Amino acid sequence: KQEVTQIPAALSVPEGENLVLNCSFTDSAIYNLQWFRQDPGKGLTSLLLIQSSQREQTSGRLNASLDKSSGRSTLYIAASQPGDSATYLCAVKGNRDDKIIFGKGTRLHILP
Amino acid sequence: DGGITQSPKYLFRKEGQNVTLSCEQNLNHDAMYWYRQDPGQGLRLIYYSQIVNDFQKGDIAEGYSVSREKKESFPLTVTSAQKNPTAFYLCASSTTSGRRASSYNEQFFGPGTRLTVL
Repeated sequence: KQEVTQIPAALSVPEGENLVLNCSFTDSAIYNLQWFRQDPGKGLTSLLLIQSSQREQTSGRLNASLDKSSGRSTLYIAASQPGDSATYLCAVKGNRDDKIIFGKGTRLHILP
Repeated sequence: DGGITQSPKYLFRKEGQNVTLSCEQNLNHDAMYWYRQDPGQGLRLIYYSQIVNDFQKGDIAEGYSVSREKKESFPLTVTSAQKNPTAFYLCASSTTSGRRASSYNEQFFGPGTRLTVL
């Protein structure tokens, strides 16, 4: 059974710093991995989608990497801003069906 | 505008009553999903559907039911058998794994429905 873990559960970082969020998964037979952002009381906004054959995706100040063999993905945020404060979740879609499993998220707080 | 809508945004229910949450999408996606989110928790899968008239149980299906009579719609009923129904409910959709283009299979979410049982 696929399990997705995100560490740390919470993170506070001064504005302007670069930071890395971690996601690990137990079953490497994945179809893709997706990073989301969630603001309090809201739905999820998709940030980056990495297919299993890809190693990274970039969008603006965000870069997501995928190492399928070790069961790890990272989300790198450059030059953090207070507006980046949110909960970041990673989700994995398996190869065998369309089931998508989420981690519990990392709650990020950027200090002005 | 293409997207996913959920209604209502807030829902209050008396204990012992069934209630149905609406989810509609106009993205022409085959797959639709229902998740539950509790404070400080990630999303837990309730049910998902890969095609019309078919659906599968997720990790926490007990006390819930769904239907998929139309491609655009995937309503979730929270029954009185659900012991702790107060939560934030999120609906999502995506194309299915059969479509191999790199932009496919991205999952899109609705704004959520917050259900409170009184």
